[in-house]
Amino acid sequence: AQSVTQLDSQVPVFEEAPVELRCNYSSSVSVYLFWYVQYPNQGLQLLLKYLSGSTLVKGINGFEAEFNKSQTSFHLRKPSVHISDTAEYFCAVSEAGTASKLTFGTGTRLQVTL
Amino acid sequence: NAGVTQTPKFRVLKTGQSMTLLCAQDMNHEYMYWYRQDPGMGLRLIHYSVGEGTTAKGEVPDGYNVSRLKKQNFLLGLESAAPSQTSVYFCASSYPLEFVSSYEQYFGPGTRLTVT
Repeated sequence: AQSVTQLDSQVPVFEEAPVELRCNYSSSVSVYLFWYVQYPNQGLQLLLKYLSGSTLVKGINGFEAEFNKSQTSFHLRKPSVHISDTAEYFCAVSEAGTASKLTFGTGTRLQVTL
Repeated sequence: NAGVTQTPKFRVLKTGQSMTLLCAQDMNHEYMYWYRQDPGMGLRLIHYSVGEGTTAKGEVPDGYNVSRLKKQNFLLGLESAAPSQTSVYFCASSYPLEFVSSYEQYFGPGTRLTVT
């Protein structure tokens, strides 16, 4: 069975600074990887996904992530954050042939301040 | 196009009471899911369905039942609510990953349930 680890529960950062949110996964088969964002009191919204092909994927709101198979990682990055990026970010994995079920990490709270 | 909607948005139950949460989607998605979100634990899959008339257990199914009588609806039932079921419940829907090149689960706004 797959699992996802987000080691950082909270990441404080100043506006316009770069940020990296870390995600590591464990699986014995091929995986698909996702980052979702949750703004306060809302549902989840897809930021970006890796299904196949180029290991560097770009998403909405200027975020990007790189799939590293040897390190089983899928870290999320943004070169310059805004106050509006303050939210909870979830990494998720789905194994091929599992009815597209997602296993989520515990989430990272990104707090952007002036 | 409303996407995924959930009813109700909030509910307070007493221990032992029962209730049903309704999820509806208007995107003609085959797959539907119920998750619960608890602080520090992310989202955990309760039950899911790969089509009308089918259901299957997820990671934390105990204490919940589901039904998918119509393709667009997925119901989550609590027969005898317990304080441990206090949580935020999210419904999601999707096309099967294996059949589309652009894959996404679409989430509803959530139902906040408190069991006292």
